Amino acid sequence: GQNIDQPTEMTATEGAIVQINCTYQTSGFNGLFWYQQHAGEAPTFLSYNVLDGLEEKGRFSSFLSRSKGYSYLLLKELQMKDSASYLCAVPTGTASKLTFGTGTRLQVTL
Amino acid sequence: DAGVIQSPRHEVTEMGQEVTLRCKPISGHNSLFWYRQTMMRGLELLIYFNNNVPIDDSGMPEDRFSAKMPNASFSTLKIQPSEPRDSAVYFCASSLAAVRLPTQYFGPGTRLTVL
Repeated sequence: GQNIDQPTEMTATEGAIVQINCTYQTSGFNGLFWYQQHAGEAPTFLSYNVLDGLEEKGRFSSFLSRSKGYSYLLLKELQMKDSASYLCAVPTGTASKLTFGTGTRLQVTL
Repeated sequence: DAGVIQSPRHEVTEMGQEVTLRCKPISGHNSLFWYRQTMMRGLELLIYFNNNVPIDDSGMPEDRFSAKMPNASFSTLKIQPSEPRDSAVYFCASSLAAVRLPTQYFGPGTRLTVL
């Protein structure tokens, strides 16, 4: 099965860089997803990693190390609108099913 | 393009009543997922369908919960009878299973309150 660990909460300052970590244990690995969820809204897809290394997408980047069971989401030039929960998720079995971490609630302050 | 559509957006009901939640997946997607989200337990997968067939319902909490997908564009999640502990946000998501790493797209959710 999957065990996924993320910090519960983080605080960072507008304009800064923040790194949100995710560790996982899985019996079979097909990739790792990151989702963003604003309060009262649905999760929205941010990125996924299949291979080791860094995937960059504008202000957001995601890193994966399969040997270490570790990923992080890097947010640069933080904006107030980045205040949200960030969930990492790992596919199971057929890769259709996702198991989500409990999410990291990020608060961006002035 | 229309995303995943869910109805109702909010539902308030009394304990013991039947509740039916509805979902229309993104056109062309062939996998559909029902999730429940609470503060205590986070986002939990209840059941998912591939090509309208239930594949994994191990997350369905008990027999009071049932889900159907009569065709590719419609699914329901029913709770009968409802209990206060069923209060949560219920999300439906869809994906295209044919790709290597299917990305799930979520609907806006139904916020259920059982009094």
